[in-house]
Amino acid sequence: AQSVTQLDSQVPVFEEAPVELRCNYSSSVSVYLFWYVQYPNQGLQLLLKYLSGSTLVKGINGFEAEFNKSQTSFHLRKPSVHISDTAEYFCAVSVRQAGTALIFGKGTTLSVSS
Amino acid sequence: GAVVSQHPSRVICKSGTSVKIECRSLDFQATTMFWYRQFPKKSLMLMATSNEGSKATYEQGVEKDKFLINHASLTLSTLTVTSAHPEDSSFYICSAIAGVMSGANVLTFGAGSRLTVL
Repeated sequence: AQSVTQLDSQVPVFEEAPVELRCNYSSSVSVYLFWYVQYPNQGLQLLLKYLSGSTLVKGINGFEAEFNKSQTSFHLRKPSVHISDTAEYFCAVSVRQAGTALIFGKGTTLSVSS
Repeated sequence: GAVVSQHPSRVICKSGTSVKIECRSLDFQATTMFWYRQFPKKSLMLMATSNEGSKATYEQGVEKDKFLINHASLTLSTLTVTSAHPEDSSFYICSAIAGVMSGANVLTFGAGSRLTVL
């Protein structure tokens, strides 16, 4: 079975500061990795995904993540955050098999203040 | 792009009644849809996998008789919360497989349905 651990439940930062949201996963088989963002009372929006190839993945809104197989991590980063980045962020994994669901971490609340 | 519509977005019902939530793929056919439940400030818990034309596959601990899932067409899956109780109050989110990219499912999520049981 797969599992996802998001190490920080809340991350408060000031506007224009860099941020890193940490994600570690556990799986006995190869997985795909994802980061989603959720704004209040809304569904999920895909930020970025790692399928294969380059371990550094760039996504929307200036976010990027790096896949580290040896550390089983997929941390999300942004060099300079905005107030509008305040949201819930979820790391997720799925096995490399058609028709399988995503397994989500517990989420990290990013709070950006001025 | 692929769009998934959920309806209703919010519903309030009395304890003991049943509530149906619809999940529609608007511009693509979805043979597989997933239903998630999200508790306040918690992760999304996978409830079940809904396959068109067959019975849903429920995750361990999810009551099949309470959360009825029907996937009668390639564009519609429904979740019916039967005999709802206050503890069923939650945010329910569906997602559909819109395609495959590099072997990975391309999932599109609905905007969610907030159920409040009084």
